[in-house]
Amino acid sequence: DGGITQSPKYLFRKEGQNVTLSCEQNLNHDAMYWYRQDPGQGLRLIYYSQIVNDFQKGDIAEGYSVSREKKESFPLTVTSAQKNPTAFYLCASSLRGRSSGNTIYFGEGSWLTVV
Amino acid sequence: DAKTTQPPSMDCAEGRAANLPCNHSTISGNEYVYWYRQIHSQGPQYIIHGLKNNETNEMASLIITEDRKSSTLILPHATLRDTAVYYCIVRVAGGGNKLTFGTGTQLKVEL
Repeated sequence: DGGITQSPKYLFRKEGQNVTLSCEQNLNHDAMYWYRQDPGQGLRLIYYSQIVNDFQKGDIAEGYSVSREKKESFPLTVTSAQKNPTAFYLCASSLRGRSSGNTIYFGEGSWLTVV
Repeated sequence: DAKTTQPPSMDCAEGRAANLPCNHSTISGNEYVYWYRQIHSQGPQYIIHGLKNNETNEMASLIITEDRKSSTLILPHATLRDTAVYYCIVRVAGGGNKLTFGTGTQLKVEL
């Protein structure tokens, strides 16, 4: 089945540790995104990438890092510099370009809890 | 991306049509209107999008006013499984393809 796979679904981290969330897609999409969602809030953009080896900061990039070495993969590292990392993290992907819409599709999300 | 305004919550009886409004009075000519929904603890699900004309698919219908300053998502026969937060988003095609989410409308479908 085609889709976006995020792992792990649930992750616990000790304060001061870095953690990496995986996102893989087999939709042959060029663009990939990471969003963060806090309880009762909408989604906020962390980073996005339109092509391999290129990515841009979103609205809340501080304390996060990404890489885009392969088209199908866009891992997110939550570093110890992120002051409040406990949240629901969502990966998404879409085709690139200006054709009608280029709908963005989401994975099922990863819950990160700092203990 | 233009901002959108949605009511924070709505109720609907099962089997009836759910009409979810959205105001986007500052929308630009090249911005599409998108609708997503999110069931608790899951990723947002794409529903429908449109530019000027009304659109319909197997999930819903999208009615966009002629001046494009507002739109309505219609779920023709709401079921309990349609209970979710519904997000209305306006976005330029291309240009980073970003989606800017507001807080959406919590739709509760009841028996």
